[in-house]
Amino acid sequence: DGGITQSPKYLFRKEGQNVTLSCEQNLNHDAMYWYRQDPGQGLRLIYYSQIVNDFQKGDIAEGYSVSREKKESFPLTVTSAQKNPTAFYLCASSKTSSPSYEQYFGPGTRLTVT
Amino acid sequence: AQSVTQLDSHVSVSEGTPVLLRCNYSSSYSPSLFWYVQHPNKGLQLLLKYTSAATLVKGINGFEAEFKKSETSFHLTKPSAHMSDAAEYFCVVSDREGSQGNLIFGKGTKLSVKP
Repeated sequence: DGGITQSPKYLFRKEGQNVTLSCEQNLNHDAMYWYRQDPGQGLRLIYYSQIVNDFQKGDIAEGYSVSREKKESFPLTVTSAQKNPTAFYLCASSKTSSPSYEQYFGPGTRLTVT
Repeated sequence: AQSVTQLDSHVSVSEGTPVLLRCNYSSSYSPSLFWYVQHPNKGLQLLLKYTSAATLVKGINGFEAEFKKSETSFHLTKPSAHMSDAAEYFCVVSDREGSQGNLIFGKGTKLSVKP
């Protein structure tokens, strides 16, 4: 089955620690995205990548970093510089970054930092 | 700049009655519009999309939406609600033709379905 996997589903970390969220897709999509979801706020774009070895900041990139070394993988690191890291994180991919192509979403990772 | 407004944060209907979730958008260009559904603690699933073809778009699970340029609206409807329709629904706009189509999400409408 083609799709997007995110692991783990739930993640707990202490304040001050960096943490990396995994995102893998086997849809052969060029574009990948990371979103953050907070209650009542919809989704906000953190980073996106249109092609391997290239990525761009989204609306709320501060305190986050990404890499895109392989087409199928787009890990997100939440650094200790992110002031409010507790949130639901969603990874998505699309065939290309053209606006007419829908994005396919993974099941999400809920990160809790205490 | 493009934006999207979902007019109701919460809609409650009885099973078997019609569903209407309202969405208005603002866009400088010809937009692509989407409706996504999210069940609790899950990712988002595409319900339907409009990309400048037919203005009445049919989606999965009996949902449809009509693009009305004069009203800048893209409301989601379903003739008869099912208990399994209870979820959060997001209206989404993307309108950067030929370049990165960053999606702009509405804040979501939570649909409750009463037996």
